Amino acid sequence: DGGITQSPKYLFRKEGQNVTLSCEQNLNHDAMYWYRQDPGQGLRLIYYSQIVNDFQKGDIAEGYSVSREKKESFPLTVTSAQKNPTAFYLCASTLKGQGTNEQFFGPGTRLTVL
Amino acid sequence: AQRVTQPEKLLSVFKGAPVELKCNYSYSGSPELFWYVQYSRQRLQLLLRHISRESIKGFTADLNKGETSFHLKKPFAQEEDSAMYYCALVSGGYNKLIFGAGTRLAVHP
Repeated sequence: DGGITQSPKYLFRKEGQNVTLSCEQNLNHDAMYWYRQDPGQGLRLIYYSQIVNDFQKGDIAEGYSVSREKKESFPLTVTSAQKNPTAFYLCASTLKGQGTNEQFFGPGTRLTVL
Repeated sequence: AQRVTQPEKLLSVFKGAPVELKCNYSYSGSPELFWYVQYSRQRLQLLLRHISRESIKGFTADLNKGETSFHLKKPFAQEEDSAMYYCALVSGGYNKLIFGAGTRLAVHP
């Protein structure tokens, strides 16, 4: 089951710690996205990247950081500044310029702050 | 402001009954809308997009610009349709999506 992979599946963090969630894709997609999914709130965009070495803040970027050093990888760091980090995190990618805008999603990482 | 509203958190129907999952949007310009579905223990995946005017798994959705709606419909629900459904709107450039809160469809035998 290739495409987009996320690791780990479950992650536990103590308050005050930074943690990094991995997202890798082998679809040769240009654009990648990070969403946060909370019950009753749908998906909210954290960060997105259209090309290597470039990324933009989404609607809820505070307390998060990303990097895009390789086309295939878009890791998300949840910092201690994020006030309520316990959530389900989804990574997605899409082929830029295709015009269909379909996003392909990973299986997600569930982060719990202890 | 750009927004997607799904007014129902849960829609419960019996097998064979018609289904309509509501989606309303707020967007200035010509919208591009999608329905995504998440079955139990599976990834979120695209169900259909308005621009294709297609029917997938018996579901259809028509864009009504006058009512700013993109409701998802199926004439006869099946148990395997039970899932979480999200309506999504393309926001500006960069293929950014704005999602609604989602509606859980439960189809009972």
